[in-house]
Amino acid sequence: AQSVTQLDSQVPVFEEAPVELRCNYSSSVSVYLFWYVQYPNQGLQLLLKYLSGSTLVESINGFEAEFNKSQTSFHLRKPSVHISDTAEYFCAVTLGSGNTGKLIFGQGTTLQVKP
Amino acid sequence: DTAVSQTPKYLVTQMGNDKSIKCEQNLGHDTMYWYKQDSKKFLKIMFSYNNKELIINETVPNRFSPKSPDKAHLNLHINSLELGDSAVYFCASSQAAVRGRNEQFFGPGTRLTVL
Repeated sequence: AQSVTQLDSQVPVFEEAPVELRCNYSSSVSVYLFWYVQYPNQGLQLLLKYLSGSTLVESINGFEAEFNKSQTSFHLRKPSVHISDTAEYFCAVTLGSGNTGKLIFGQGTTLQVKP
Repeated sequence: DTAVSQTPKYLVTQMGNDKSIKCEQNLGHDTMYWYKQDSKKFLKIMFSYNNKELIINETVPNRFSPKSPDKAHLNLHINSLELGDSAVYFCASSQAAVRGRNEQFFGPGTRLTVL
């Protein structure tokens, strides 16, 4: 069975500082990897995803994540955070085969950006 | 234009009642999902429909019954509500082709409180 572990439940950081949100997954088959963001009182939005190819993927708002197959990790990073990045971040996987689209989520990491 | 909409946004009811949550998407997607987010913000898939056909049915009490009248709508009916059903319920949709690779678009959520 597949599982996703987000190692930090809360990450407080000051504005303009760098941040890394950690995600590890467990699966005996290939998976696709996603980061979703949930702003307060809203639904989830896709931040970025890894399907294949280059292991470094980027979002339009400055986040990036690197797929590391040997360490089964997909950590999310941003070199300089803004107050507006305060949100809940979810790492998730789907199976590389089977095609149901079932998303398996980690527990979420609350990013708190302080002025 | 709202892509995925849910009604109601808030639902407060007594134990033992029956309630429904409605979801509609105008993205032209074939696949729709229901997720439950508990008080610790953990997200878990409940059901998925593809063009009115049930394709994911996780271990959910049979008091929960999804209904898809057409591919743009997926409703969730809950019988005999219990305290543990209190949660935020999210509807989502995605394109059907190679679902595992596709972004899922989430609605704003329905916060259900059972008293």
